[in-house]
Amino acid sequence: AQTVTQSQPEMSVQEAETVTLSCTYDTSESDYYLFWYKQPPSRQMILVIRQEAYKQQNATENRFSVNFQKAAKSFSLKISDSQLGDAAMYFCAYRVPNTGTASKLTFGTGTRLQVTL
Amino acid sequence: DTGVSQDPRHKITKRGQNVTFRCDPISEHNRLYWYRQTLGQGPEFLTYFQNEAQLEKSRLLSDRFSAERPKGSFSTLEIQRTEQGDSAMYLCASSPWDRARSGYTFGSGTRLTVV
Repeated sequence: AQTVTQSQPEMSVQEAETVTLSCTYDTSESDYYLFWYKQPPSRQMILVIRQEAYKQQNATENRFSVNFQKAAKSFSLKISDSQLGDAAMYFCAYRVPNTGTASKLTFGTGTRLQVTL
Repeated sequence: DTGVSQDPRHKITKRGQNVTFRCDPISEHNRLYWYRQTLGQGPEFLTYFQNEAQLEKSRLLSDRFSAERPKGSFSTLEIQRTEQGDSAMYLCASSPWDRARSGYTFGSGTRLTVV
């Protein structure tokens, strides 16, 4: 079974600084997708960034970028120029391509990010 | 379209009572998912619909849980004879049929408290 591990329960970063959140996963599949989701307090979960395993180039979305190391099964999220609005729980998630089954997302346990002045 | 809607946002119920939650997905999304999230944990998969067909259920979904999506649009999740361990956030999400490259669009969730 696929598993997703986030080993940092909490992280803190000063405003305008850079922080990296770690994620590792275990799978026997060669084709899959990885995601980072953000869940602000009492608000809905939103997609931050996605990475396709067959692409070597790391995904980037504005201040958010990933470091995808397929051989190491590692998928870290880097947030540059951190803002107060970045404070949230961040979840790493994994999904295999549609094969006629659910293609459900498997989530890690999350990292709570605090942003300080 | 305003995204995925869930109702109610909060529900407090006494142990042993039945509760029902509703989810309205994005209209063009044919896939609908229910997840449960307890405090400090990531969401855990409960069940999945493709159109009106329920195609997968987690072993987390005991016999007290039932989900429906009668016309392939909105979905309901019912919990019978609630227990304190059912207290959690119940999340609904939808996605289009594609090669799984899309993430889900989540609703705001229904927070259930069983007292």
